Amino acid sequence: QSALTQPASVSASPGQSITISCTGTSSDIGAYNYVSWYQQHPGKAPKLMIYEVSNRPSGVSNRFSGSKSGNTASLTISGLLTEDEADYYCASCTTSSTLVFGGGTKLTVL
Amino acid sequence: EVQLLESGGGLVQPGGSLRLSCAASGFSFSDFAMSWVRQAPGKGPEWVSGISGSGGDIYYVDSVKGRFTISRDNSKNTMKLQMNNLRAEDTAVYYCAKEIVSGGWPLDYWGQGTLVTVSS
Repeated sequence: QSALTQPASVSASPGQSITISCTGTSSDIGAYNYVSWYQQHPGKAPKLMIYEVSNRPSGVSNRFSGSKSGNTASLTISGLLTEDEADYYCASCTTSSTLVFGGGTKLTVL
Repeated sequence: EVQLLESGGGLVQPGGSLRLSCAASGFSFSDFAMSWVRQAPGKGPEWVSGISGSGGDIYYVDSVKGRFTISRDNSKNTMKLQMNNLRAEDTAVYYCAKEIVSGGWPLDYWGQGTLVTVSS
């Protein structure tokens, strides 16, 4: 199972919005609405930010939103804060009932 | 408060074995599927294995099939990962994590991780 494809890095200024893409195949992202997004700060465990494409866990800011079209999912963060600077990983359930992660995107908030 | 506490990591030689444990508290353990996820130094997370709430459904990433065995004991609120024939590429921090809802492995709570180092 190959990793999902994400841009290596993205940067923006505080207050701006960014979108991170995550491209898979018809055997993962395209198969189900089981796409999730994780935020990871250095030395910390990943934190679930979005699940089932667009659902936010309790406590996650509504500045974070998710969507999907075909084999590509996207995470949008609006009103960027300096604390949003982190690594972001997408993940998708596969048709083998396993979970595959993306390679990660480093978000820099300038 | 949900807590997940991993233990059992350490240094092991190639070809050796380790057994990781995850002690869960603060939620109805048997109601939730659980996963092991690893993260090699400087790399992204890699899902290793998952087990349903009942323990009846088990899944592995291809790279560990035949070498790793996941299990759970709902009477003790614990999950384990038996790792045999370890390789250098298995070196990573291993996290246990729980699903937020059933299906698709969305993982809302993670432990602090336990480091496994495979080296001679």
